[in-house]
Amino acid sequence: EAAVTQSPRNKVTVTGGNVTLSCRQTNSHNYMYWYRQDTGHGLRLIHYSYGAGNLQIGDVPDGYKATRTTQEDFFLLLELASPSQTSLYFCASSELQGAAAEQFFGPGTRLTVL
Amino acid sequence: GDSVTQTEGLVTLTEGLPVMLNCTYQTIYSNPFLFWYVHYLNESPRLLLKSSTDNKRTEHQGFHATLHKSSSSFHLQKSSAQLSDSALYYCALTLYGGSGNKLIFGTGTLLSVKP
Repeated sequence: EAAVTQSPRNKVTVTGGNVTLSCRQTNSHNYMYWYRQDTGHGLRLIHYSYGAGNLQIGDVPDGYKATRTTQEDFFLLLELASPSQTSLYFCASSELQGAAAEQFFGPGTRLTVL
Repeated sequence: GDSVTQTEGLVTLTEGLPVMLNCTYQTIYSNPFLFWYVHYLNESPRLLLKSSTDNKRTEHQGFHATLHKSSSSFHLQKSSAQLSDSALYYCALTLYGGSGNKLIFGTGTLLSVKP
């Protein structure tokens, strides 16, 4: 089974702060994703990537940057954090199998912006 | 655009009663893949079941769903709810040959099973 890890698991920052969320997957999956989960909105895609150096814009990208440095590592950057970015963030990965590919999720990072 | 609708935000059931969580979708593509993901508290979301075959029942861990393209539906069912089924359930859509591996999630249904 795919292993996806995230760090930190919890983070508190202040408005205007700089935050980096990290994700690593160890099954050589090509696709990686960043989601945020909010009550009433479900899981919403922020950014995703096909491979190292590639970045695709998701559905709620405003205020977020992302970088895929290697096949294993995908980072989400909040350069000027705002309270509206308080959320539970999930990273996920999947193999290149077309539309049927299962996504494997990490344990999540709970971010609070004061 | 493409979308997934889950009309119930919260479903509360007594243990032993049947479960039905609604999911409808909208897409212009004729070959969608539909998924149900389950998110238990303090765990990671994970795949429960998936289908792309019209009118074929798919089952996993006591749950089942049938994709009906005529009504654009993929409802999740279980004959008898258990306390351990309490979780957040997401219906999701991806498009064959469209956006590749990008999933479009519904807003989720929280299932709460009481004794």
